[in-house]
Amino acid sequence: AQTVTQSQPEMSVQEAETVTLSCTYDTSENNYYLFWYKQPPSRQMILVIRQEAYKQQNATENRFSVNFQKAAKSFSLKISDSQLGDTAMYFCALLLWGAQKLVFGQGTRLTINP
Amino acid sequence: KAGVTQTPRYLIKTRGQQVTLSCSPISGHRSVSWYQQTPGQGLQFLFEYFSETQRNKGNFPGRFSGRQFSNSRSEMNVSTLELGDSALYLCASSGAGQNTEAFFGQGTRLTVV
Repeated sequence: AQTVTQSQPEMSVQEAETVTLSCTYDTSENNYYLFWYKQPPSRQMILVIRQEAYKQQNATENRFSVNFQKAAKSFSLKISDSQLGDTAMYFCALLLWGAQKLVFGQGTRLTINP
Repeated sequence: KAGVTQTPRYLIKTRGQQVTLSCSPISGHRSVSWYQQTPGQGLQFLFEYFSETQRNKGNFPGRFSGRQFSNSRSEMNVSTLELGDSALYLCASSGAGQNTEAFFGQGTRLTVV
């Protein structure tokens, strides 16, 4: 079975600061994808960034980047120059190759303060 | 391109009743997945349909069922509702290729009283 763990239930930072959200996962499979999703109060889940497990290079999307440590099964999200609009629940998720079934962590509630 | 549309957005039902939720995927997407989100259990996978066939199923009782139509629209049904079924039900659609990104709808908030 696959599991995803987010150890930080809540985080709060000031606008323009950098924040890192932690995620660890467990799977015996070698081929999988990892995602960070954002869920603002509107409830819509929005994909922030994805990482293919076979890629060693860490994914980057504008202010968002990940630190993917495959051996340690760690997948953290770094948000640089945080903005008020980044306030949301953030979910780490695992997708096994060939199975359209996401396994989510419990989420981290991130608040960006002005 | 229209996003994933879920209807209704809000629903209040009484224990013992049944409910049907609808999900219209992004045009061209053939895979539709359903998730239940609760404060206690978080996000849990219910099932996934592809080309009208259930491909994956989560660990939920048989009261939870679904189907997919030829136009890829999907419905989810919950029979004999229990208070614990109160949740946000999210639908996600994905493209035809494997391991493609899932796009989520805004969800249906179901309250069972």
